[in-house]
Amino acid sequence: EDQVTQSPEALRLQEGESSSLNCSYTVSGLRGLFWYRQDPGKGPEFLFTLYSAGEEKEKERLKATLTKKESFLHITAPKPEDSATYLCAVQAIIQGAQKLVFGQGTRLTINP
Amino acid sequence: DTEVTQTPKHLVMGMTNKKSLKCEQHMGHRAMYWYKQKAKKPPELMFVYSYEKLSINESVPSRFSPECPNSSLLNLHLHALQPEDSALYLCASSQWGGRSEQYFGPGTRLTVT
Repeated sequence: EDQVTQSPEALRLQEGESSSLNCSYTVSGLRGLFWYRQDPGKGPEFLFTLYSAGEEKEKERLKATLTKKESFLHITAPKPEDSATYLCAVQAIIQGAQKLVFGQGTRLTINP
Repeated sequence: DTEVTQTPKHLVMGMTNKKSLKCEQHMGHRAMYWYKQKAKKPPELMFVYSYEKLSINESVPSRFSPECPNSSLLNLHLHALQPEDSALYLCASSQWGGRSEQYFGPGTRLTVT
């Protein structure tokens, strides 16, 4: 069964303090690993898709990397507006349909 | 444009009411999804439509009834809900097949009284 585990559950950083969020997964044939950002009471916002080990993608202060067992979301010199819940998901094919298997998320707080 | 719209933003309904949630996308996506999300939990898949046909029903109670009238629209009809059904309901869409990301709408905050 496909599984996704994110750590830590919650992370508090000072503005400018860089860190990384972890997403470990077990999946029978990775078809894509996705990172989303979600603000309270809003829908998840798509950030990145990673398909194969060694792949990296960047967007502003965020950089996502992928190995055969885990993905990291690196945040460099974060600002308070980066505070959100970050969700990791892998894609499974069930009954011929695409399904996202989500981790529990990491709640990130950046203090000014 | 990667926008998925949902109406209404907020909905309060009694346990005997009938209401509908609506979702629309104009990205040409042929897969559309309904999710339910409780506080501090990830989205939980309810239904998947592909080419306007129901592909996955994640054992959702019959008081939730999905409908896909055309390739751009997705509805969720609600009837005789329970207070525990109160949640954020999210719609998403994606290309069908391959390895494509899902784009989510802003959600409908549902409260059942």
